[in-house]
Amino acid sequence: QSVLTQPPSVSAAPGQKVTISCSGSSSNIGNKLVSWYQQFPGTAPKLLIYENDKRPSGIPDRFSGSKSGTSATLGITGLQTGDEADYYCGTWDTSRNGVVFGGGTKLTVL
Amino acid sequence: QLQLQEPGPGLVKPSETLSLTCTVSGGSISSRGYCWDWIRQPPGKGLQWIATICYTGNTYYNPSLKSRVAISVDTSMNHFSLKLSSVSVADTAVYFCARRIPYSDYFDPWGQGTLVTVSS
Repeated sequence: QSVLTQPPSVSAAPGQKVTISCSGSSSNIGNKLVSWYQQFPGTAPKLLIYENDKRPSGIPDRFSGSKSGTSATLGITGLQTGDEADYYCGTWDTSRNGVVFGGGTKLTVL
Repeated sequence: QLQLQEPGPGLVKPSETLSLTCTVSGGSISSRGYCWDWIRQPPGKGLQWIATICYTGNTYYNPSLKSRVAISVDTSMNHFSLKLSSVSVADTAVYFCARRIPYSDYFDPWGQGTLVTVSS
């Protein structure tokens, strides 16, 4: 089991909006910054969101991040078929003294 | 533009030691303010963080792997390395190296990954 909990899968139609949740505890999300990664099959993860809600250069504003308490959320608006990928959240865990990830969420754009 | 590359051995026998090196180009591994990490992904599964080494010299390891893992840096070669001892089939995975920004704790960039298969 992963320390951070994500839904295994989410789906939505093109053009719609989807959210992916990431639930943790006070030893990780509750007191640390969250990042999100997008991974296509056979490729390395790519940074999508850092420090809870910041987008790296080149990431469209269709992608957004937020955090409240011990949970974080990734939002994607204007869904495109090219957004179909696996999405992971990650953060530092103070009780484990290391990085922890969610189990990943597979996004299907119907 | 910083790039990381981690060519791997491909195949390792059970009980042997897996050795991986991540070469950093386009920047210095000695730059202050960064950490250098290893992450792995078993086939069809999620990401598992393995270890980190920071510009301060501090190292941290995944508690579940700590007894078998060692991470090191060679500043003269601008690379960092991972050694995982006593491997088993459960260590079969794609291994990624990545730069981590401490305190913000995000990874960017990542290496392309290398598949390591543990099999006799």
